[in-house]
Amino acid sequence: GNSVTQMEGPVTLSEEAFLTINCTYTATGYPSLFWYVQYPGEGLQLLLKATKADDKGSNKGFEATYRKETTSFHLEKGSVQVSDSAVYFCALSGEAGGTSYGKLTFGQGTILTVHP
Amino acid sequence: DTEVTQTPKHLVMGMTNKKSLKCEQHMGHRAMYWYKQKAKKPPELMFVYSYEKLSINESVPSRFSPECPNSSLLNLHLHALQPEDSALYLCASSQDSGPYGYTFGSGTRLTVV
Repeated sequence: GNSVTQMEGPVTLSEEAFLTINCTYTATGYPSLFWYVQYPGEGLQLLLKATKADDKGSNKGFEATYRKETTSFHLEKGSVQVSDSAVYFCALSGEAGGTSYGKLTFGQGTILTVHP
Repeated sequence: DTEVTQTPKHLVMGMTNKKSLKCEQHMGHRAMYWYKQKAKKPPELMFVYSYEKLSINESVPSRFSPECPNSSLLNLHLHALQPEDSALYLCASSQDSGPYGYTFGSGTRLTVV
């Protein structure tokens, strides 16, 4: 079945530091890939997505590139802010026609804390 | 309107109570979902409705009963829950059951006593 593996957390950074959160996946064919963010006490928000190989998703200074050859979708940001402190989830949705089409499979989540 | 609205935000119920969670969206999305999230864990899929029909039930116990009265509304009826059912219950919607990314609500924090 499909699976998503995220780097172990928590991650603690100083403001303006560079962020990378690693995400690798196992799936057949060409899944769609997503990053979601969850702020304390809230639901999940879609941060960015990519639906085919070599696509780059970007939003609010965050970026991730769909790498089929390494089955990865690492999240990066050049300069983090205190307001970026949250839990980040990598997720995938299976390709059309498959049994997991439209069903999100989540990674375990990475807690990010940014200090001033 | 680009939101999924869930009510109530918090709910405390006894093991013999019957209660319902409500979810509403007005984005014209035709797929709606219930997820359960325990603390420090990722969300777990419970149910999927596609075009108002139940399309996926992830082997959820019958004490959880979903209902989709129309394309904008999704309910989750709760009966005879156990303390281990305490969790954050998230509703989500998407354009249809494809790879569009979901819009999540803020959730209902449920405590079973």
